[in-house]
Amino acid sequence: DGGITQSPKYLFRKEGQNVTLSCEQNLNHDAMYWYRQDPGQGLRLIYYSQIVNDFQKGDIAEGYSVSREKKESFPLTVTSAQKNPTAFYLCASSPTLAKNIQYFGAGTRLSVL
Amino acid sequence: AQSVTQLDSHVSVSEGTPVLLRCNYSSSYSPSLFWYVQHPNKGLQLLLKYTSAATLVKGINGFEAEFKKSETSFHLTKPSAHMSDAAEYFCVVSGFAGGTSYGKLTFGQGTILTVHP
Repeated sequence: DGGITQSPKYLFRKEGQNVTLSCEQNLNHDAMYWYRQDPGQGLRLIYYSQIVNDFQKGDIAEGYSVSREKKESFPLTVTSAQKNPTAFYLCASSPTLAKNIQYFGAGTRLSVL
Repeated sequence: AQSVTQLDSHVSVSEGTPVLLRCNYSSSYSPSLFWYVQHPNKGLQLLLKYTSAATLVKGINGFEAEFKKSETSFHLTKPSAHMSDAAEYFCVVSGFAGGTSYGKLTFGQGTILTVHP
């Protein structure tokens, strides 16, 4: 089954804790993206990666970090510096940065305890 | 710069009646336009895309959209709503700026479609 897998589906963070959201794709896509979704605000871009070992900040990168050590994996860490982390996080991929029809995972809902 | 405005945050229709979800965009260059659908607690699924070919674009599940450059609009329609169409719909614009290779997606704020029996 080809697609994008995000885990976990639900995640809880304690104050001062870093948490990591997983995103794996088997579509052989070069480009990957992380979005944050808040009610009534659409999707906002956190980070994107064009290729392995390369990534760029999006519109709301503060308090987040990413890595791209393998083509199929693009984990997102929500750090303790992110003061309002409660949101629905969506990972996406596209064949390249230019061929940007993006395919989305099912999302991870992060809440603060 | 590019932006997207979805003119209705909520639309309510009866099953079997037409659906119209409105979207206006602005872009400094020839854009690509998309409609995505999201069911509760799910990821986004591509409904249809416009990439400068035919101005009337047909998508999945009976949806279609018409690109009108003069009105900078890309409204989504369906002749007859089904209960399973109840979801949130996002209009999205993509374009290249300043010689970059990144076709950044800009999302509208979403329209929640409710379908009544």
